[in-house]
Amino acid sequence: ELKVEQNPLFLSMQEGKNYTIYCNYSTTSDRLYWYRQDPGKSLESLFVLLSNGAVKQEGRLMASLDTKARLSTLHITAAVHDLSATYFCAGRAGGTSYGKLTFGQGTILTVHP
Amino acid sequence: DVKVTQSSRYLVKRTGEKVFLECVQDMDHENMFWYRQDPGLGLRLIYFSYDVKMKEKGDIPEGYSVSREKKERFSLILESASTNQTSMYLCATWGWMDTEAFFGQGTRLTVV
Repeated sequence: ELKVEQNPLFLSMQEGKNYTIYCNYSTTSDRLYWYRQDPGKSLESLFVLLSNGAVKQEGRLMASLDTKARLSTLHITAAVHDLSATYFCAGRAGGTSYGKLTFGQGTILTVHP
Repeated sequence: DVKVTQSSRYLVKRTGEKVFLECVQDMDHENMFWYRQDPGLGLRLIYFSYDVKMKEKGDIPEGYSVSREKKERFSLILESASTNQTSMYLCATWGWMDTEAFFGQGTRLTVV
């Protein structure tokens, strides 16, 4: 059974600083997802990582995947207030059907001046 | 753009009531899912469906059932609502050729 754990669960950052959110998973996952959720809103897809060593970047966010370590990271560069949200990672266990994702607990990110 | 629409944004129901949460998608996707979201627990899968009239249990199906009579519509049913079912419920769809899921806006259900 795939288990996904994120840390930290709460992250308070100053604007302009860098930080990393970690996502560990327990068994083979053939892809790894990162989602963003604003308060009261649904999930917005950020990144889909399909293979070992995959790195994707969008603006101040960069995601990477190390399948050997069973670890994905979401790196935030020079944080700005607009990045305040909850971030989820999710894995899909190998051999399972499309969309049967297992989510981490979520990281609540607050960026303040 | 994929559109996944949940019938209500907010619902308040009484303990013991039968509750229906509806989800409709317009992209002809075969796969539909119901998740429940609680603080500190992330999203947990309740039920999913690969096709019309097909359903499979997810990780936390107790107290819930589902119905999929038409491809575009997937309903989550709380047979007898209880206070521990107060939560945010999210519907998602996935096409066989897609690499990711698409989520509805969520229904925040309060059972009193």
